[in-house]
Amino acid sequence: EAGVTQSPTHLIKTRGQQATLRCSPISGHTSVYWYQQALGLGLQFLLWYDEGEERNRGNFPPRFSGRQFPNYSSELNVNALELEDSALYLCASSLKYRGGTEAFFGQGTRLTVV
Amino acid sequence: AQTVTQSQPEMSVQEAETVTLSCTYDTSESDYYLFWYKQPPSRQMILVIRQEAYKQQNATENRFSVNFQKAAKSFSLKISDSQLGDAAMYFCAYRSPLIQGAQKLVFGQGTRLTINP
Repeated sequence: EAGVTQSPTHLIKTRGQQATLRCSPISGHTSVYWYQQALGLGLQFLLWYDEGEERNRGNFPPRFSGRQFPNYSSELNVNALELEDSALYLCASSLKYRGGTEAFFGQGTRLTVV
Repeated sequence: AQTVTQSQPEMSVQEAETVTLSCTYDTSESDYYLFWYKQPPSRQMILVIRQEAYKQQNATENRFSVNFQKAAKSFSLKISDSQLGDAAMYFCAYRSPLIQGAQKLVFGQGTRLTINP
């Protein structure tokens, strides 16, 4: 069974541009989570989508947005990129309403803003 | 809001020996879930072990076990018979009960574990 897949693996953008990151969850998982892992920092929660709707949002500016498609895949969009947006962006998926069920992570997209 | 603290930025251990990674958390909830994730250089987060707060018995997965002290809000990870493949960043994480709605994982800052041959 395929795990969580993210694309692209690496992304280099110029300050002010927009970046789009993609995530495909494990088959059967309806929840998708996005996390930012900046260098030397832990994982910071960005967004949670479930069944096509945004359920929860972390403490990030509105430049960070996303959506979830009918097939439960998800996009994270970062507008007006700033240098400090350079980070590893991790996507995770899980079953809904199965509290102890762990979130399975993808390998991440390394975003570099120059 | 819940917080998770890992007070050891780096740890090292000799191969085949035992090491314990510390984690404390703060919450007002009575029921929750705790996890240890491992992040090797490949970057992918891998679940090591999970603990349900309502269970008094400490979770064990092969060489990995936890010491869950609910009253002290402590959740340490013990790795026995350390192997070179255990070298990675280890993150402690907290998750609220489902009905609370906030399904996000709250992570600690991580502990980098080095295994010395």
